[in-house]
Amino acid sequence: GAGVSQSPSNKVTEKGKDVELRCDPISGHTALYWYRQRLGQGLEFLIYFQGNSAPDKSGLPSDRFSAERTGESVSTLTIQRTQQEDSAVYLCASSLIKGGNQPQHFGDGTRLSIL
Amino acid sequence: DAKTTQPNSMESNEEEPVHLPCNHSTISGTDYIHWYRQLPSQGPEYVIHGLTSNVNNRMASLAIAEDRKSSTLILHRATLRDAAVYYCILRDVGTSGTYKYIFGTGTRLKVLA
Repeated sequence: GAGVSQSPSNKVTEKGKDVELRCDPISGHTALYWYRQRLGQGLEFLIYFQGNSAPDKSGLPSDRFSAERTGESVSTLTIQRTQQEDSAVYLCASSLIKGGNQPQHFGDGTRLSIL
Repeated sequence: DAKTTQPNSMESNEEEPVHLPCNHSTISGTDYIHWYRQLPSQGPEYVIHGLTSNVNNRMASLAIAEDRKSSTLILHRATLRDAAVYYCILRDVGTSGTYKYIFGTGTRLKVLA
């Protein structure tokens, strides 16, 4: 079946512009995560959605970052007034239910480059 | 901060077993140990997880120390396709009961033909 889909796969933009990244989770997966991965680093948790519960935004690095998800469907991660330090791969993952033992299924990420 | 410690890199010969170690000395009684791997230019891929007992699946085996302060991922016969970064992760319960995974920098496995 279809896995987690992210778009665009690559995004190059100028410093100061806003960007919007999209994630289509696996159908039926109630939990959705966003991560950031800088070059040569591990994954950094950003935000978590679970059904209609309030999202866990504890990993968002600044108020320039925001994310939305409607129900159990598509999520968008928005970065306003981008900075060069925002350059990274942004990964989305979904899992079947909230719980530490359900595997997370990852997309291949959006590679964001800020000029 | 990552709760696990792994070697930065390891090498293995093709078709030989590989043992990837992980230390997690601060593990709590309810933490599961998860392993993911990340191939170049891809998102991470689930490999295996366990709590106390050793676990086997089609991809790998997970050996967990009796005191649970360390574990070892075992690839029984490494292939070139197993070259990846392997992450050992403990589930972290964050705000609102979120189950977060704190990824460290992992072990980069190189498989030699």
